[in-house]
Amino acid sequence: KQEVTQIPAALSVPEGENLVLNCSFTDSAIYNLQWFRQDPGKGLTSLLLIQSSQREQTSGRLNASLDKSSGRSTLYIAASQPGDSATYLCAVEKYGGATNKLIFGTGTLLAVQP
Amino acid sequence: NAGVTQTPKFRILKIGQSMTLQCTQDMNHNYMYWYRQDPGMGLKLIYYSVGAGITDKGEVPNGYNVSRSTTEDFPLRLELAAPSQTSVYFCAGQSLNTEAFFGQGTRLTVV
Repeated sequence: KQEVTQIPAALSVPEGENLVLNCSFTDSAIYNLQWFRQDPGKGLTSLLLIQSSQREQTSGRLNASLDKSSGRSTLYIAASQPGDSATYLCAVEKYGGATNKLIFGTGTLLAVQP
Repeated sequence: NAGVTQTPKFRILKIGQSMTLQCTQDMNHNYMYWYRQDPGMGLKLIYYSVGAGITDKGEVPNGYNVSRSTTEDFPLRLELAAPSQTSVYFCAGQSLNTEAFFGQGTRLTVV
């Protein structure tokens, strides 16, 4: 059974700091990995998708890496801003034709202090 | 292009009542998912579908049912509501090898 863990559960940093969020998964036979952002009381917004054949993806100040062999992904946020405060979730996708599933971690609650 | 739309946004049910949470998408996604989110527990997969006419159980399917008669619609049915089903429910749609798109959620309280 695929299990996805995110560390730390919560993180508070001063504005301008660079930070790393971690995601680990137990079954390395994944198809894709996605990072999402969730604001309080809202749905999830996709930030980055890394396909299994890729090592990293970048979007603006965000960079996500994937190491399938070790079952790890990291989300790097450069020059953090108060607007980055949210919960960040990773999800692994296991594709099996008729059994495509998206399994989530428990998330990291990020607070960026002005 | 509205994306993934869920209704209602909020609902209070009495124990034993039934209801259907609606989810519709206009992005022609093959894959659709229903999740529940409880505080500190992340998102748990209830049911999913890989296409019209095909559904399968996720991690926590007990007490729920789904159908996928069309590509666009993926309703979630609660037959006998229980307090343990108090949660926030999210529907999502996804196409092969692309990002998943989520609805805004339905906050359900069972009293």
